[in-house]
Amino acid sequence: DQQVKQNSPSLSVQEGRISILNCDYTNSMFDYFLWYKKYPAEGPTFLISISSIKDKNEDGRFTVFLNKSAKHLSLHIVPSQPGDSAVYFCAARLVGGSQGNLIFGKGTKLSVKP
Amino acid sequence: GAGVSQSPSNKVTEKGKDVELRCDPISGHTALYWYRQSLGQGLEFLIYFQGNSAPDKSGLPSDRFSAERTGGSVSTLTIQRTQQEDSAVYLCASSPGLNNEQFFGPGTRLTVL
Repeated sequence: DQQVKQNSPSLSVQEGRISILNCDYTNSMFDYFLWYKKYPAEGPTFLISISSIKDKNEDGRFTVFLNKSAKHLSLHIVPSQPGDSAVYFCAARLVGGSQGNLIFGKGTKLSVKP
Repeated sequence: GAGVSQSPSNKVTEKGKDVELRCDPISGHTALYWYRQSLGQGLEFLIYFQGNSAPDKSGLPSDRFSAERTGGSVSTLTIQRTQQEDSAVYLCASSPGLNNEQFFGPGTRLTVL
């Protein structure tokens, strides 16, 4: 029973265009969402997060949108750069942080072509 | 300062052997987590430690898996009588507290032949 779903295993985008990575979740008790980026042979690195009380958070080229009614969030990268090519994981945390672990999706491999 | 480090980076073992994986968290981080990533899967939570509290072991897949954290710092994940399905990348993360961003190490790739 996957609580965090990334239905697109891969995405290919041209350099300079927008990359949109999607994530759906099933548990309405999640209160915090994060995106991690992972290069081969490295651990995931934190990218951006959003609290469930917000619907948008922006950090430079990265923006995360949260639609609570649809239980959907997305990561927008504008403009996309070849260095953005990596696997992107969506993660969620339960209300109150009483459970410290994050629940991850399976990831989406982004390829940005020059 | 140094990030989270893990050793070994790669481990190949034979089915039935025991293995120990080590994690050195960021100094001062009170929370430490173990995850694993099997081929084509997301990160699967295994166990976490927070300060002096009892660890949350709810993600451990079987009683062959155990972990300890000595002195509130270094952690060791032990897998006894390894099976081929244990093959995965084992990732450790630490954070200043439970509700903070988690910083990941590079992982240990375990291959059970």
